[in-house]
Amino acid sequence: QQQVKQSPQSLIVQKGGISIINCAYENTAFDYFPWYQQFPGKGPALLIAIRPDVSEKKEGRFTISFNKSAKQFSLHIMDSQPGDSATYFCAASKRSNDYKLSFGAGTTVTVRA
Amino acid sequence: DVKVTQSSRYLVKRTGEKVFLECVQDMDHENMFWYRQDPGLGLRLIYFSYDVKMKEKGDIPEGYSVSREKKERFSLILESASTNQTSMYLCASSLGFGYGETQYFGPGTRLLVL
Repeated sequence: QQQVKQSPQSLIVQKGGISIINCAYENTAFDYFPWYQQFPGKGPALLIAIRPDVSEKKEGRFTISFNKSAKQFSLHIMDSQPGDSATYFCAASKRSNDYKLSFGAGTTVTVRA
Repeated sequence: DVKVTQSSRYLVKRTGEKVFLECVQDMDHENMFWYRQDPGLGLRLIYFSYDVKMKEKGDIPEGYSVSREKKERFSLILESASTNQTSMYLCASSLGFGYGETQYFGPGTRLLVL
């Protein structure tokens, strides 16, 4: 079964709007949470990552919010642009098994101009 | 820039055929991975290699094997292809020195088994 649950499966947002993707996990041993971005015809690429010692990390228009007690984390894309249209995957890994990433099912984001 | 290349972008094979998917990375990475990507399921790890000739099973190894004879090359083998192995296959690599490392992905091979 999927260890990281991701929602929604897809979303459509207008240019300039905010895209929000949510992920939840059960395994409290997870302590590294990256997000990968995949454009059509390409492999996924690391977008941004967070560790649970902080509740938020921001890189440009992309922000991860992390709620350790709720075992949830989310990606916010501010001022969404057509070039942000892609599939986004959340993932998690644990220090004791550091090579292995457990991925969510993915969210396809479409930004309408 | 790290480059991970996969031998084919598209492959069409018949049920029962032996299929080889090749992956090469040019950054002297220790770790290499094979995933399959299916709609609604995300990326699932098939096999992982942390050194030449070393391998570990991932979450869905059944029906697959791997080979890593050289550090830069990691092959995925479908011994007898079946229609349920129709999927996108992604290879990735990472440095291999610690926790929370970035994985670098190739462009994928879309395999259709008829």
